[in-house]
Amino acid sequence: GAGVSQSPRYKVAKRGQDVALRCDPISGHVSLFWYQQALGQGPEFLTYFQNEAQLDKSGLPSDRFFAERPEGSVSTLKIQRTQQEDSAVYLCASSLGLGGNTEAFFGQGTRLTVV
Amino acid sequence: AQKVTQAQTEISVVEKEDVTLDCVYETRDTTYYLFWYKQPPSGELVFLIRRNSFDEQNEISGRYSWNFQKSTSSFNFTITASQVVDSAVYFCALRTLYSGGGADGLTFGKGTHLIIQP
Repeated sequence: GAGVSQSPRYKVAKRGQDVALRCDPISGHVSLFWYQQALGQGPEFLTYFQNEAQLDKSGLPSDRFFAERPEGSVSTLKIQRTQQEDSAVYLCASSLGLGGNTEAFFGQGTRLTVV
Repeated sequence: AQKVTQAQTEISVVEKEDVTLDCVYETRDTTYYLFWYKQPPSGELVFLIRRNSFDEQNEISGRYSWNFQKSTSSFNFTITASQVVDSAVYFCALRTLYSGGGADGLTFGKGTHLIIQP
């Protein structure tokens, strides 16, 4: 597609429910990032993939968070047993190259509300 | 540790005024990249500019200009003759290189909410 696509755009989950958020990066982009953006805050890094390899997951807040990119394209961020503090916008970004000099393109995000 | 500080939480100006958004960063790395992103109400982060740590030349793009000063660890963003369409949240961000040469995640500031009143 023309840009990074995320689905669903909005998700309401009951506390304790598992959710899965999908990211379709720009075709051919090697790097893929997930960020969490709480209300009124800047995005915070969660995890990074280079093709199918998850090279950095240092930002994942707990072991309830899990991300995968099995074929090096589409990625899924899964949150198990959701808590209210998980409510945020989850942003996905992709970039063509590997270096810090490459531009990251962001999707519109998935707004997760845990009730 | 890396840190980006955007001290201005919200700025409100009248259309056609010039406005400067401040950004101060902290890093121990000598090689790093600085970015500005715009986030309109739709939520998508729109890339505006990237600057590497070895290039201190100021840049102008239309009504936008950026002032990078390593001596003060600042990367400020100025909008000249502001327009209502400039209203958005603006984020400054920092990225350093992995020691292995890969791409690290961006460290964002908390953002400045810019309101341009007609």
